[in-house]
Amino acid sequence: AQSVSQHNHHVILSEAASLELGCNYSYGGTVNLFWYVQYPGQHLQLLLKYFSGDPLVKGIKGFEAEFIKSKFSFNLRKPSVQWSDTAEYFCAVKSYNTDKLIFGTGTRLQVFP
Amino acid sequence: NAGVTQTPKFQVLKTGQSMTLQCAQDMNHNSMYWYRQDPGMGLRLIYYSASEGTTDKGEVPNGYNVSRLNKREFSLRLESAAPSQTSVYFCASSGGDRGSPGPGSGYTFGSGTRLTVV
Repeated sequence: AQSVSQHNHHVILSEAASLELGCNYSYGGTVNLFWYVQYPGQHLQLLLKYFSGDPLVKGIKGFEAEFIKSKFSFNLRKPSVQWSDTAEYFCAVKSYNTDKLIFGTGTRLQVFP
Repeated sequence: NAGVTQTPKFQVLKTGQSMTLQCAQDMNHNSMYWYRQDPGMGLRLIYYSASEGTTDKGEVPNGYNVSRLNKREFSLRLESAAPSQTSVYFCASSGGDRGSPGPGSGYTFGSGTRLTVV
């Protein structure tokens, strides 16, 4: 069965610090990979997604993620965080031949001014 | 605006009561989903429907039933609510493109239903 691991449960940063959130998945076949963000009190919004092609994916709000197939990883990065990036971030994986999206447990990011 | 609409937004139930959470999407998506979100556990798939007339169990289906009434609507029913079902419930839809980066490849989520069972 597919699973997604997010090892950072809670990350605290100061504004302008760099961010990297880890995501690893377990599935041997072709996958589609996603990062979602949930701002306080809101629903999930898509940050970026990877289906094929360039393994470095750029999303909204300056976020990017790199798919490393050999490591089964899809880490999220941002060079310089802002206070407004305070949110919970979810990595998700969908195997190529199904419709089910499986989520990680999430990483809570707090950014202090 | 196009999207996924969930009702109600908040609900308090007593143990043993039943209720139905409603979800509708107007994006002509094939696939619809119900997730529950609990602290420290992320989102877990309860049930999903790959197309009108079909439903399948997800990771945590026990205590729930679903109905795909038509292409637009996918409801979640709690027949006898339990405190363990206190959670935030999200409905989502997607175009159901299997592996395709087409316009339906992203998942659109509703705004959630916060359910408390006392």
